[in-house]
Amino acid sequence: DTEVTQTPKHLVMGMTNKKSLKCEQHMGHRAMYWYKQKAKKPPELMFVYSYEKLSINESVPSRFSPECPNSSLLNLHLHALQPEDSALYLCASSQDPGATYEQYFGPGTRLTVT
Amino acid sequence: GDSVTQMEGPVTLSEEAFLTINCTYTATGYPSLFWYVQYPGEGLQLLLKATKADDKGSNKGFEATYRKETTSFHLEKGSVQVSDSAVYFCAMEYGNKLVFGAGTILRVKS
Repeated sequence: DTEVTQTPKHLVMGMTNKKSLKCEQHMGHRAMYWYKQKAKKPPELMFVYSYEKLSINESVPSRFSPECPNSSLLNLHLHALQPEDSALYLCASSQDPGATYEQYFGPGTRLTVT
Repeated sequence: GDSVTQMEGPVTLSEEAFLTINCTYTATGYPSLFWYVQYPGEGLQLLLKATKADDKGSNKGFEATYRKETTSFHLEKGSVQVSDSAVYFCAMEYGNKLVFGAGTILRVKS
């Protein structure tokens, strides 16, 4: 099983809402990632979890709050977002931390902030 | 700073045409290099990779060779198919992270 799953597929939320994005992998990978991708742009790294601990935070605003409850799950909690946060949010995992390892990407959650 | 530069698209080809998408990088040292592909409505998939100079990565008919002297990692395919239509991202390893190029849209028409 080389699949990374993400839920929901689509999400529309108002600026005062609180919502969460979920990501799951069952490949035994020890590194998990959140990326943000705007239309026609490359993915931008947001967070990296290594062995369930946050290892990289790319100066992401605090309205995005990541959580790694266990080695298979990764959440991204959203609160008080802005319209410019509308994007495709991609989760990825890799066998170990370190960019030389292949990252497996999920299909993404398309977020619209109204 | 360290960066990846790809040729701008979109690239439009007829089926069975030869494909080249140029990619060059700027980095200190010799980073690992990757090509990822993103089909419409999907996440990214690793297409191929090379970890040292003169390595050739290949997969599904696509090839790229790590050229240290020209700091390049150009993607090639001898005969494209309509199903190859996608966005292609060149990327390199930098400080335990992936740095992506801007992406090149490929459209193949039958």
